[in-house]
Amino acid sequence: EAQVTQNPRYLITVTGKKLTVTCSQNMNHEYMSWYRQDPGLGLRQIYYSMNVEVTDKGDVPEGYKVSRKEKRNFPLILESPSPNQTSLYFCASSSWTAGNEQYFGPGTRLTVT
Amino acid sequence: GENVEQHPSTLSVQEGDSAVIKCTYSDSASNYFPWYKQELGKRPQLIIDIRSNVGEKKDQRIAVTLNKTAKHFSLHITETQPEDSAVYFCAASRWTFSGGYNKLIFGAGTRLAVHP
Repeated sequence: EAQVTQNPRYLITVTGKKLTVTCSQNMNHEYMSWYRQDPGLGLRQIYYSMNVEVTDKGDVPEGYKVSRKEKRNFPLILESPSPNQTSLYFCASSSWTAGNEQYFGPGTRLTVT
Repeated sequence: GENVEQHPSTLSVQEGDSAVIKCTYSDSASNYFPWYKQELGKRPQLIIDIRSNVGEKKDQRIAVTLNKTAKHFSLHITETQPEDSAVYFCAASRWTFSGGYNKLIFGAGTRLAVHP
């Protein structure tokens, strides 16, 4: 089954404790992205990647890191999480050969206390 | 910076009525405009998209119109049904060599409620 998976789905952590949210897709898509969703602000892009070892900043990259060492994986790293990073995070993948539709993962709800 | 404004933020209609959601974008180079639907507790899913070389696109009860001069595009849903109740997001993008259409700017969303 074609899908985008994220782990964990829910996470409660404390300020400053490094964490990684994993994202994986099995559709051989070249593009992958991370978004955060906050009430009243919609979906804001954090980082995106065109292909392996190629990443670029979205609109709200501060406080986040990403890596793309393999085509299928695109982890999101929070080196020192802060309460303002409490949010719902979505990973997505797409391909220009598949019409550019962004296929979203199920989401990760992160709470930083 | 680039911006997409979406209105209204909430919309309530009776079943069978039409619903219209409007978006305005700031980047005149934008040339790809998708619409995503997000049901409660679920992930966003693409419902329709339009490129700047056309002014209108239809898919059954859903249509999108684009006015490039005004930098304005709209989603039209006819004969609304309760299952149309969801949050709808518009987005804008322009093609680049480094990212294709992957850099998307989303609107803040419209919560549509369709009452039986």
